[in-house]
Amino acid sequence: SYELTQPPSVSVSPGQTATISCSGDRLGSRFVFWYQQKPGQSPLLVIYQDDKRPSGIPERFSGSTSVNTGTLTISGTQAMDEAEYYCQAWDSGSAVFGGGTKLTVL
Amino acid sequence: QVQLVQSGAEVQKPGASVKVSCKTSGYTFTSRDIFWVRQAPGQGLEWMGWMNPNGGDTAYAQKFQGRVTMTRDTSKSTAYMELRSLTHDDTAIYYCARGGGIVVPAHNWFDSWGRGTLVTVSS
Repeated sequence: SYELTQPPSVSVSPGQTATISCSGDRLGSRFVFWYQQKPGQSPLLVIYQDDKRPSGIPERFSGSTSVNTGTLTISGTQAMDEAEYYCQAWDSGSAVFGGGTKLTVL
Repeated sequence: QVQLVQSGAEVQKPGASVKVSCKTSGYTFTSRDIFWVRQAPGQGLEWMGWMNPNGGDTAYAQKFQGRVTMTRDTSKSTAYMELRSLTHDDTAIYYCARGGGIVVPAHNWFDSWGRGTLVTVSS
């Protein structure tokens, strides 16, 4: 079955740039989606179709893809961005999520 | 505004079934697919399947085939997810989510989520 691999944790200082990777076989040929989940809350879509931001998502969130990797970038990271982030893609009609990355802002 | 309001927490015994509802508002119910995702305690997200509220078409993750049924009541703008033959491993928060509007369900994203329904399987 298709797998998406994310680093378990990423740390960043406030105001710096955080990058969260998501790797999968030929991921660049699929759309990648990113969700933010804070403790006790439902997931929130932050990036869709690789690099598009939904209405209301700050411009500091951006997405990109390469051959086998999708990347979520948070520029000027703020304390409020501390959360778990999940990437997602589709494979053979099934949605697949990465294992999640805990972003710590310290 | 778009809202997906889910039914309350449930406690079920092993072998029983659970049916979770997802009442939508703020948009035309039949215009967007509904997806179901679950999250076991302290774990990641797991996709369960989707339903097209317009025609009732469904597709389920292989893991849940034969054990899950997704239905809807268009008169109530409500989607339902029933999971049968529960085991302790089914203890999780179950989320419904609205699709992003792409015609092909398997290209969709999940743009609005319910708050989740905690299902606890305990003997």
